[in-house]
Amino acid sequence: GQQVMQIPQYQHVQEGEDFTTYCNSSTTLSNIQWYKQRPGGHPVFLIQLVKSGEVKKQKRLTFQFGEAKKNSSLHITATQTTDVGTYFCAGQIADKLIFGTGTRLQVFP
Amino acid sequence: NAGVMQNPRHLVRRRGQEARLRCSPMKGHSHVYWYRQLPEEGLKFMVYLQKENIIDESGMPKERFSAEFPKEGPSILRIQQVVRGDSAAYFCASSRAGYIYEQYFGPGTRLTVT
Repeated sequence: GQQVMQIPQYQHVQEGEDFTTYCNSSTTLSNIQWYKQRPGGHPVFLIQLVKSGEVKKQKRLTFQFGEAKKNSSLHITATQTTDVGTYFCAGQIADKLIFGTGTRLQVFP
Repeated sequence: NAGVMQNPRHLVRRRGQEARLRCSPMKGHSHVYWYRQLPEEGLKFMVYLQKENIIDESGMPKERFSAEFPKEGPSILRIQQVVRGDSAAYFCASSRAGYIYEQYFGPGTRLTVT
């Protein structure tokens, strides 16, 4: 079936280090969305990318959509303890939104 | 500006009982999605509804599970004759229209089956 894979599954970093999570699909995506879920919380929408090669920034977060619209990445510069949580990508394939497997980020002070 | 509301937040049921989960979408949203999340796992799509219509129920188990979104009132996810394996967090999300729009999630209902 259609799947959207994310790597890594887990990432532990020291506060101040950078972090990147990658999202890959075998099928071309119409758009890609990113969500963050804090421990014990619910997913919160972060951003949506639509165009091939698109790059968007939100403060220390940089989101990228691949040229072939099959992959995406989220990069966090100089992580803080508030960045802790699970980051999910979600790709639209035809008439479905497929959530990725998520990357759980732990930040040590 | 109220967000997506879900109730109850926590629900405990004994095996064989029925669980009824409610979701009120954000104001102005007519599309509702239900997801299930097991501890330490990702979101599993269950069903996508519009008012009075089921658009996609491909993620819903064929038996014991049903969902509705009536013309008036909240969307309901109903689980009949619950089993221990139904214990999970159930999230509802809403959007303005279809998948091209971002989804806003409710706080979830944590179902525990004893």
